[in-house]
Amino acid sequence: SYELTQPPSVSVSPGQTASITCSGDKLGDKYACWYQQKPGQSPVLVIYQDSKRPSGIPERFSGSNSGNTATLTISGTQPMDEADYYCQAWDSSTGVFGGGTQLTVL
Amino acid sequence: EVQLVESGGVVVQPGGSLRLSCAASGFTLDDYTMYWVRQAPGKGLEWVSLISWDGGSTDYADSVKGRFTISRDNSKNSLYLQMNSLRTEDTALYYCAKAQRDGYNYDAFDIWGQGTMVTVSS
Repeated sequence: SYELTQPPSVSVSPGQTASITCSGDKLGDKYACWYQQKPGQSPVLVIYQDSKRPSGIPERFSGSNSGNTATLTISGTQPMDEADYYCQAWDSSTGVFGGGTQLTVL
Repeated sequence: EVQLVESGGVVVQPGGSLRLSCAASGFTLDDYTMYWVRQAPGKGLEWVSLISWDGGSTDYADSVKGRFTISRDNSKNSLYLQMNSLRTEDTALYYCAKAQRDGYNYDAFDIWGQGTMVTVSS
């Protein structure tokens, strides 16, 4: 079965750039999207179709996808961005999530 | 306001059955593919199932195939998940979610409900 691999945790200082990776076999041939989940809340879509932002998502969130790796980048990270982030893609009619990355802003 | 509200989560014994519901409002349900996604306590997200806008196409995760059945009633703006032969590992918060674009089955999940908790325990 298809797997997406994310680092368990990433730390960043406020105002700096955070990058969260998601790796999967030929992931660049698929669309990747990213979800943000804060404690006790439902997930929120922050990036879809590799690099597009839904309305209401700040411009500091961006995405890319090439080869075997998709990347979520948060520029000028703010304390409110501290959350779990999940990548997701479709493989053979099956939805697949990465294991999630806990972003700490300190 | 676009909204999804899940219900039906309870404590059930292993081997038991349960039906979850998801009520949609603020959009035309029958334009969109819908999904169920679950999250075990302290764990990550797991896609469970999808159903196309007209119910004509369904897909399931291997972990639930043959035990769970997704359905929808567009006239009632509702999505369902029938869960049979429940196992302790099915314990999770179950979310319903909406496809971002109408007419697409394999799409991003742009609206999520608040989830309903299913606990499988003796």
